[in-house]
Amino acid sequence: NAGVMQNPRHLVRRRGQEARLRCSPMKGHSHVYWYRQLPEEGLKFMVYLQKENIIDESGMPKERFSAEFPKEGPSILRIQQVVRGDSAAYFCASSPDGYGYTFGSGTRLTVV
Amino acid sequence: AQSVAQPEDQVNVAEGNPLTVKCTYSVSGNPYLFWYVQYPNRGLQFLLKYITGDNLVKGSYGFEAEFNKSQTSFHLKKPSALVSDSALYFCAVYKAAGNKLTFGGGTRVLVKP
Repeated sequence: NAGVMQNPRHLVRRRGQEARLRCSPMKGHSHVYWYRQLPEEGLKFMVYLQKENIIDESGMPKERFSAEFPKEGPSILRIQQVVRGDSAAYFCASSPDGYGYTFGSGTRLTVV
Repeated sequence: AQSVAQPEDQVNVAEGNPLTVKCTYSVSGNPYLFWYVQYPNRGLQFLLKYITGDNLVKGSYGFEAEFNKSQTSFHLKKPSALVSDSALYFCAVYKAAGNKLTFGGGTRVLVKP
């Protein structure tokens, strides 16, 4: 089992571009979570998804951010029209049961 | 609302000395509590969890944590710290109604040789 796979590891975008972050959960895990970690800060919950459904998006900014977890393929966190404040590490976690999380290595987004 | 607090931003300890990282929680009902460790430029690695049962929980890399219901605490401990334990440590609480983990702000541990 390859664990939770996130790609890319590092992503550089210019202001105004779109960023797409991918997360492939562990085999057999149907729960996917996205967290954001700003420099020198803790992890902030963004969104919780199960296959084809958004369960809780209470941590997502109201604009420019969206997430999906399609029936086939990885979960995608999409950030449109990125701004410098979006620069952060974005972590995905998956779980078979809702609380036994396994984290990916993260995507470090830098907006220039 | 559930929450977890880590009162210390940083803990410094000499190698070989005991290490304690503090965590207190606030949640209604029975908490599920977790500790994770993050090494530089890496994701979070699971250390241990408390769901039910013995208040003293043993985890990976020689770490343990003690659940104290009266003090609403779940402090992480290691009897003899190693330089390689230097990392960022996160306490987290899970509540079934929210179905997600809520993390503390993290405590940076620096173990000096």
